[in-house]
Amino acid sequence: KQEVTQIPAALSVPEGENLVLNCSFTDSAIYNLQWFRQDPGKGLTSLLLIQSSQREQTSGRLNASLDKSSGRSTLYIAASQPGDSATYLCAAPSSNNNDMRFGAGTRLTVKP
Amino acid sequence: DVKVTQSSRYLVKRTGEKVFLECVQDMDHENMFWYRQDPGLGLRLIYFSYDVKMKEKGDIPEGYSVSREKKERFSLILESASTNQTSMYLCASSDREADTQYFGPGTRLTVL
Repeated sequence: KQEVTQIPAALSVPEGENLVLNCSFTDSAIYNLQWFRQDPGKGLTSLLLIQSSQREQTSGRLNASLDKSSGRSTLYIAASQPGDSATYLCAAPSSNNNDMRFGAGTRLTVKP
Repeated sequence: DVKVTQSSRYLVKRTGEKVFLECVQDMDHENMFWYRQDPGLGLRLIYFSYDVKMKEKGDIPEGYSVSREKKERFSLILESASTNQTSMYLCASSDREADTQYFGPGTRLTVL
């Protein structure tokens, strides 16, 4: 059964810092992995989707990498801004590929 | 842009009441999902549907039922609400072939 874990649960950094959020998954037979952002009291917004054939995806200041062999993905945020403050969740397909499994998220606070 | 809407942002109900949560998507997606999100537990799948009148149990279907009479609409039903069903409920949809799930804004349900 696919299990997704995110470390750390919470992170606080000063504005301008580069940071890395970590995601690990137990079943490496995945066809993609996805990172989402969630603002307080809101739904999830898709940030990046990495296909299994790719090693990374970039969107602006965000870069997500995928290492299937080690069961890990990272989300790198460059030059963090207060507007980046949110909870970031990663999700991987379940072992039967019918749905997605989500990590509990990392709550990021970027202080001005 | 894909749009997923949920009938209510906030809902307060009493124990024993029957509760309907509605979700509508406008992108002709085959797949629709209902999750609940609780602090420290992340998103947990309640039910999903891959076609009209089709439904599959997720991880925590107990106490819930669903209905998908039309492709664009997926309803979550709490037959007899209980206090442990107080949570944030998130609906999502995805295309059969695509990988990205699109989320609604969420319904925060409180059962007193």
